[in-house]
Amino acid sequence: KQEVTQIPAALSVPEGENLVLNCSFTDSAIYNLQWFRQDPGKGLTSLLLIQSSQREQTSGRLNASLDKSSGRSTLYIAASQPGDSATYLCAVRTSGSRLTFGEGTQLTVNP
Amino acid sequence: NAGVTQTPKFRVLKTGQSMTLLCAQDMNHEYMYWYRQDPGMGLRLIHYSVGEGTTAKGEVPDGYNVSRLKKQNFLLGLESAAPSQTSVYFCASSYGGGRFFGNTIYFGEGSWLTVV
Repeated sequence: KQEVTQIPAALSVPEGENLVLNCSFTDSAIYNLQWFRQDPGKGLTSLLLIQSSQREQTSGRLNASLDKSSGRSTLYIAASQPGDSATYLCAVRTSGSRLTFGEGTQLTVNP
Repeated sequence: NAGVTQTPKFRVLKTGQSMTLLCAQDMNHEYMYWYRQDPGMGLRLIHYSVGEGTTAKGEVPDGYNVSRLKKQNFLLGLESAAPSQTSVYFCASSYGGGRFFGNTIYFGEGSWLTVV
């Protein structure tokens, strides 16, 4: 059974700091890995999708890497801003129906 | 283009009552999903559908039923609500399987359900 773990569970940083969120998964047989953002009381917004054949994806200040063999992914946020405060979730897709989520990292960026 | 829309957004039920959550997507997606999100448990798949007229069980299907009579709609029903079904429910959709496994999954805004 696929298990996804995100460390740390919560993170508080000052504005402007670069930071890394971690995601690990137990079964390397994945189709892709997706990072989401969830604001309080809202749904999930897709940030980055990395296919199993890819090593990284970038979007603006966000960079996600994938090391499938070791079962790890990182989300790098450059020059963090208070508007980046949210919960970040990673999810791995192991079939058309199976998307397994981590419990998320709650990020607070302090002005 | 509304994406994935869920109704209602909030609902309070008494134990034993029934209700239906409606999910609609306008992206012509084949796959649709219902998840529940609980503190300390993360997001768990309840039921999913791979196309119009099809449904299948996910991780936590007990106490729920679903129907996909039209491609754009996916309904989640609670026949006899229990306090353990108090949760936030999310609908999601994506393009089909096979080579479309790599496509992004899109989520609705959530439906907050309280069973008293």
